[in-house]
Amino acid sequence: QLQLQESGPGLVKPSETLSLTCTVSGDSISSSNYYWGWIRQPPGKGLEWIGSIYYSGNTYYSPSLKSRVTISVDTSKNQFSLKLNSVTAADTATYYCARHASMTTVTFVYWGQGTLVTVSS
Amino acid sequence: QSALTQPRSVSGSPGQSVTISCTGTSSDVGGYNYVSWYQHHPGKAPKLLISDVNKRPSGVPRRFSGSKSGNTASLTMSGLQAEDEADYYCCSYAGNYTVIFGGGTRLTVL
Repeated sequence: QLQLQESGPGLVKPSETLSLTCTVSGDSISSSNYYWGWIRQPPGKGLEWIGSIYYSGNTYYSPSLKSRVTISVDTSKNQFSLKLNSVTAADTATYYCARHASMTTVTFVYWGQGTLVTVSS
Repeated sequence: QSALTQPRSVSGSPGQSVTISCTGTSSDVGGYNYVSWYQHHPGKAPKLLISDVNKRPSGVPRRFSGSKSGNTASLTMSGLQAEDEADYYCCSYAGNYTVIFGGGTRLTVL
C-alpha cells in the first residue's frame, strides 16, 4: 500500500523559507510514471494546489505561487520536497503531499496526512 | 486563476439526496472532462470520490455520482448517511498543466 508522509518545521518566521519533505513508501518514485504534488489548506479555507513534479524532474507550478515555489525530487531517498520562500502569515496552512497519474486528470488518489505549518515570529 | 465556486454549505436528512455544484469557466470545468471530487473529514487526508467528471474509483459507494453541464460540475449523494458529514471539494484541470480546486462545501447531515 502506497503511503506518503510529510515532514518539516511546524513554525517558520515571516520572510524566511518554508521547507517540507514528502517521504514515499510502498512504491519507488523513480520507477513509476506518476506525478507528485503539493496541496495546502489555510485554516478555515479551501484546498489550493501548489505544484507538482514528475519523477523525471519536470515541474509544474500554480501561477499564483510560481515566483516563490520550488519542488524537487530525490529518487535516492524516495522523497520529494517543497520550498516556499518569502513566506507571510497567509502561507500558514496544512500542507499535503499527494500522488496523481497525470497533469490533466487531476486524480489525487493517495495523500499524506498533512502537516500544519505556522508562519509567525 | 480564481477558485471554482461551490456553495459554502448544504444539508440534508439521512436517506435524502443532496447535490453540490462546482462552477468554473470555459478555461477549466467547461473546457475539459477532468473534474474530480474529494471528501475531506477534518484532520484526515482528503479522499477521492469521483474522477474524470463521473468515474467512481473502486470502493466508493454507488450513491456518489458526478456530472457536468457546461461550466458547472455537480456531485450528487443519495441515501445520505451520518458519516457523509464532511467537507467536499471539486477540482479541475485548468489548462497549461495547472490545477484548480473549489472553495469547498460543508455538508451537514441533519
